[in-house]
Amino acid sequence: AQSVAQPEDQVNVAEGNPLTVKCTYSVSGNPYLFWYVQYPNRGLQFLLKYITGDNLVKGSYGFEAEFNKSQTSFHLKKPSALVSDSALYFCAVRDRRAGRRALTFGSGTRLQVQP
Amino acid sequence: GAGVSQSPSNKVTEKGKDVELRCDPISGHTALYWYRQSLGQGLEFLIYFQGNSAPDKSGLPSDRFSAERTGGSVSTLTIQRTQQEDSAVYLCASSLTGTDYNEQFFGPGTRLTVL
Repeated sequence: AQSVAQPEDQVNVAEGNPLTVKCTYSVSGNPYLFWYVQYPNRGLQFLLKYITGDNLVKGSYGFEAEFNKSQTSFHLKKPSALVSDSALYFCAVRDRRAGRRALTFGSGTRLQVQP
Repeated sequence: GAGVSQSPSNKVTEKGKDVELRCDPISGHTALYWYRQSLGQGLEFLIYFQGNSAPDKSGLPSDRFSAERTGGSVSTLTIQRTQQEDSAVYLCASSLTGTDYNEQFFGPGTRLTVL
């Protein structure tokens, strides 16, 4: 079975400071990993994904994520946070070997960026 | 181009009534997914369509839930004899194919409230 853990319900950061939103995963095979963001009363928007190759993945709005196989982590990062980054962030995984097309999501982390 | 659209955006119904939720995927996307988002359960997978067939229905919570897709496009999720625990936001997503690494594009959701 595949699973995702987002250990922090909420992350608070001051505008201009770097931010990290944590994600760890569990799969039986190799993972495909995704980050999505959800703004109030909106659907999920795709931010970035890891398929293979370079462990550092760059995505939309200046976000990036680092795949760490030994730590089974895929933390989301941004060098300088904006107030407009405040939203709910979801990490998701798909196990390549399982052949299951659906994504398994973490519980979400609310990012609050203070001015 | 147009994204994934869902209707209605909000639905309030009485316990025991049937409801139909509609999803229009992005044109040309062959894969379609239904998820449910609720406070207690997070984001849960319901069903996956590839074309008009549903190879994965494993997330449907009971036989009161059913879905169909016609013409490889529009999908309808039907909930019969609604219960209060069915109250949630129902999200539809589509992707170009069912290939594991394709990101899914989400609609804005239908908020279902069962009184």
